[in-house]
Amino acid sequence: ETGVTQTPRHLVMGMTNKKSLKCEQHLGHNAMYWYKQSAKKPLELMFVYSLEERVENNSVPSRFSPECPNSSHLFLHLHTLQPEDSALYLCASSRGTGGLDEQYFGPGTRLTVT
Amino acid sequence: QKEVEQNSGPLSVPEGAIASLNCTYSDRGSQSFFWYRQYSGKSPELIMFIYSNGDKEDGRFTAQLNKASQYVSLLIRDSQPSDSATYLCAVNPTSAGGYNKLIFGAGTRLAVHP
Repeated sequence: ETGVTQTPRHLVMGMTNKKSLKCEQHLGHNAMYWYKQSAKKPLELMFVYSLEERVENNSVPSRFSPECPNSSHLFLHLHTLQPEDSALYLCASSRGTGGLDEQYFGPGTRLTVT
Repeated sequence: QKEVEQNSGPLSVPEGAIASLNCTYSDRGSQSFFWYRQYSGKSPELIMFIYSNGDKEDGRFTAQLNKASQYVSLLIRDSQPSDSATYLCAVNPTSAGGYNKLIFGAGTRLAVHP
């Protein structure tokens, strides 16, 4: 699926580092999402942006900071992470039409915090 | 707490058989239901969605929804080894808003053996 791209694909960072994950969608969608996928756990919704406005923030620690400068780009800024934050971080996008809205995922960033 | 439950598996079926994957959800007001396939090390890929009671067929895949029983299933006919993956059930608990707040199950791992 080339409609949603994510960079980098792999990231190793120390607990004191600051890094950013980038997501870009080429589908003309109006909603974008960040998910966290840890081993043997369900996908966890972290943030939702609809028309560049943050509409969901699911009790995510402040060491994760999202940014949506326009409807095609979404960032996740990371700082002072913990080893338990190691996971696959997935970006998704959708048209933004509500209940029957299909979400399409990017390839993910595999994050390892050392 | 809104939940989506799936048997983690693995569900092992022989090639050519019908694989039946099941999902239950706790929020009776849920509006739409999605099945994603996730190969190991890859991101989720949308297979089907359903929002009305009954069956919906797409090629070898059939989604079944029973809102009274709060149950949704995915049937895969003529299973192939390439169908071996983890299947994620996702539920949208509301139709409100211009975005789709999916709740995911932990997934069922399917293994199709020759």
